[in-house]
Amino acid sequence: SYVLTQPPSVSVAPGQTARITCGGNNIGSKSVHWYQQKPGQAPVLVVYDDSDRPSGIPERFSGSNSGNTATLTISRVEAGDEADYYCQVWDSSSDHPRVFGTGTKVTVL
Amino acid sequence: EVQLVESGGGLVQPGGSLRLSCAASGFTFSSYSMNWVRQAPGKGLEWVSYISSSSSTIYYADSVKGRFTISRDNAKNSLYLQMNSLRAEDTAVYYCAREEGGYAGYWGQGTLVTVSS
Repeated sequence: SYVLTQPPSVSVAPGQTARITCGGNNIGSKSVHWYQQKPGQAPVLVVYDDSDRPSGIPERFSGSNSGNTATLTISRVEAGDEADYYCQVWDSSSDHPRVFGTGTKVTVL
Repeated sequence: EVQLVESGGGLVQPGGSLRLSCAASGFTFSSYSMNWVRQAPGKGLEWVSYISSSSSTIYYADSVKGRFTISRDNAKNSLYLQMNSLRAEDTAVYYCAREEGGYAGYWGQGTLVTVSS
């Protein structure tokens, strides 16, 4: 089945930019979605279809996808952005169509 | 307001069974596909199962295939997950999530399933 690989952790100072990568074979041909999960809470969708934001998600969250890597970018990082982030794709060629990445812990220094 | 409320979790012995429910409100449940996603303690998200709006299409993760059964009752606005032959590695918080077209736009708060003797 399709595998999505993320770095275990990313550290960033407040006000700086965090970039979280999601690697997968030819992931650029798929739609990538990103979720934020804070401790003890359910995941929240922050980016869908590579780069679209649900209503209520700040413009500081953006996404891109090309080749073998998708990226979630958090600009002007705030303390409240500290969370786990997961990428996810819909593998339409598989009978296991929903695949999550391994997850990245973002720490705000 | 979209609401998804899971129930039915608890402590069960290895080899036992449990049925999870997800009560949906605030939207036309019969128009949406649904998913179950789980998260073992301290681990990442794992997709478990998918069911289309009419129940005509169903998928399972390999880890639960043959042991878990997803179903829905559109008249009752409810989603279910029947879990049989439970193992210690099935211990997790189980979330139901509304399918938006390749991704989960809304999630419940989850219900904890603990498999232990």
